[in-house]
Amino acid sequence: GENVEQHPSTLSVQEGDSAVIKCTYSDSASNYFPWYKQELGKGPQLIIDIRSNVGEKKDQRIAVTLNKTAKHFSLHITETQPEDSAVYFCAASRVGNYGQNFVFGPGTRLSVLP
Amino acid sequence: DTGVSQDPRHKITKRGQNVTFRCDPISEHNRLYWYRQTLGQGPEFLTYFQNEAQLEKSRLLSDRFSAERPKGSFSTLEIQRTEQGDSAMYLCASSFSGGIGGYTFGSGTRLTVV
Repeated sequence: GENVEQHPSTLSVQEGDSAVIKCTYSDSASNYFPWYKQELGKGPQLIIDIRSNVGEKKDQRIAVTLNKTAKHFSLHITETQPEDSAVYFCAASRVGNYGQNFVFGPGTRLSVLP
Repeated sequence: DTGVSQDPRHKITKRGQNVTFRCDPISEHNRLYWYRQTLGQGPEFLTYFQNEAQLEKSRLLSDRFSAERPKGSFSTLEIQRTEQGDSAMYLCASSFSGGIGGYTFGSGTRLTVV
């Protein structure tokens, strides 16, 4: 089955700097890769996603890149702000006719220092 | 806001007791998922419904666990004869089958078995 690894497990950056979180996956059939942000006491919130037919996607300060050949994808956050502090999870799934079950990475705790 | 609603938010129970959690998905979503999240880990898939049909169950879902979605709307997850290892956050998510995309998660039910 699918296995998703995520690095680093913790990341501290100064406000205004960039943050990069990297994930690798094992199943070459996976074709959809979402990123979730989880704040304390809350459920994960989708922040950006990418499909396997796209190499890069950007939404304001957040971007995701995908390298299908190497089976890795990354989250880039620019101009970080204190409210970006949270745990970030990557996930991989194989979208089919009967739903899509995500395999999540173990998470990265991002701290943005003022 | 008509997001995914979970009840209760917190549950403390004694080992051996039965517990039941409820999830109300976004009304127009026909897919409903249950995940379990332990401290410091990403969510792990438990089971999935499309309308009222339970289409997939994880090996994590032992015979002490049962989930229902009787009318294709809300869902319940019951754990019988709880064990300390069942202590976790139980997350519900929903999505619409008409498109490919990330789920919307609820805030979860935190179960503590003492």
